[in-house]
Amino acid sequence: DAGVIQSPRHEVTEMGQEVTLRCKPISGHDYLFWYRQTMMRGLELLIYFNNNVPIDDSGMPEDRFSAKMPNASFSTLKIQPSEPRDSAVYFCASRRARGGYGYTFGSGTRLTVV
Amino acid sequence: QKEVEQDPGPLSVPEGAIVSLNCTYSNSAFQYFMWYRQYSRKGPELLMYTYSSGNKEDGRFTAQVDKSSKYISLFIRDSQPSDSATYLCAMYSGRAQKLVFGQGTRLTINP
Repeated sequence: DAGVIQSPRHEVTEMGQEVTLRCKPISGHDYLFWYRQTMMRGLELLIYFNNNVPIDDSGMPEDRFSAKMPNASFSTLKIQPSEPRDSAVYFCASRRARGGYGYTFGSGTRLTVV
Repeated sequence: QKEVEQDPGPLSVPEGAIVSLNCTYSNSAFQYFMWYRQYSRKGPELLMYTYSSGNKEDGRFTAQVDKSSKYISLFIRDSQPSDSATYLCAMYSGRAQKLVFGQGTRLTINP
């Protein structure tokens, strides 16, 4: 079990550029979650999917953020255009629907927008 | 008011001490309660989980949930320097799959 895999680990981009973060959940997990972590706000849920379908995107800060899950093994979080206030660590997590109380997190993508 | 409140610390204790970490919450629908440990520049890792009220013990760690008071605790016995990390409480209702986190408490165990 390779765990939840995120890429890239670090991303530095200029304001206004498009940023795409990637996530591969654990095989067999039905749910996928995108979180953002900052010192000021802690861990915030942005969006989550169940069986590749977006269920709740109420945490997505604004229209500049979008997320997709084209299949069970891949998801993307896109920011276009990026702004300095988007700088944070973005985590992807997954879990099984049955008997899977624990959410397994990836190592995160540290995004810096300059 | 946040749904889950947790004192961010920092908390610093000597090696071998008993550590007590706590969270309060406001949503009475929460049924699943967890503690995550996060080392610097790493993702959170699940440490303990408890369903509804009661205690759960795993080695040096004990998790307690008091739903009547909307209060959860994590106790660490015989604390070790390797326990130094940020500890996050988290919970969700079951009907909604949104895992809601506390702010996290930064803990340092001094040798």
